[in-house]
Amino acid sequence: NAGVTQTPKFQVLKTGQSMTLQCAQDMNHNSMYWYRQDPGMGLRLIYYSASEGTTDKGEVPNGYNVSRLNKREFSLRLESAAPSQTSVYFCASSEWRVGAFFGQGTRLTVV
Amino acid sequence: TQLLEQSPQFLSIQEGENLTVYCNSSSVFSSLQWYRQEPGEGPVLLVTVVTGGEVKKLKRLTFQFGDARKDSSLHITAAQPGDTGLYLCAGARGNEKLTFGTGTRLTIIP
Repeated sequence: NAGVTQTPKFQVLKTGQSMTLQCAQDMNHNSMYWYRQDPGMGLRLIYYSASEGTTDKGEVPNGYNVSRLNKREFSLRLESAAPSQTSVYFCASSEWRVGAFFGQGTRLTVV
Repeated sequence: TQLLEQSPQFLSIQEGENLTVYCNSSSVFSSLQWYRQEPGEGPVLLVTVVTGGEVKKLKRLTFQFGDARKDSSLHITAAQPGDTGLYLCAGARGNEKLTFGTGTRLTIIP
């Protein structure tokens, strides 16, 4: 019973490099999210997907793109990484009136 | 626009004391959840409340959903060092996206 699985757990990028963060859930949830969390701060929503084939911008979408590949998978792409994108990234899935379940996070450093 | 405001933002108390954390909004939510996050980990769901006035207990933690479904509180009795962490409330309106609160960072001093 894996829940929400994120990869990679750690990543160091040079400014201008690109990468994709992968997320998969096995709970058959419709909704999936990508958040970023800066040190000592709360969660900020980057993108949201209410169902397969739909995505919506959150609070801080600039510099990111997402893809809801199927019901299980929701990926986050950084096309040209910037130092301001250094953060911890969390993927989550949720179902109405149940609550959200989070992955273990990806610690990204952009130098 | 932050829809869910938590108070206090920071709280540091002695082991054995009681405390209450608040989550307030001007919006009505169909469900509200509380999460705890420990350093280096993702948030973990503690409870979901869906009915106005609902009270749920989880050992020493008591959660209440306001009658109008706009606010919630988390009360901890006899706090222990293991309760230390970041507490987050989150609300959903219908089938819309989950909105997280500003967070309360709780430290229990042994």
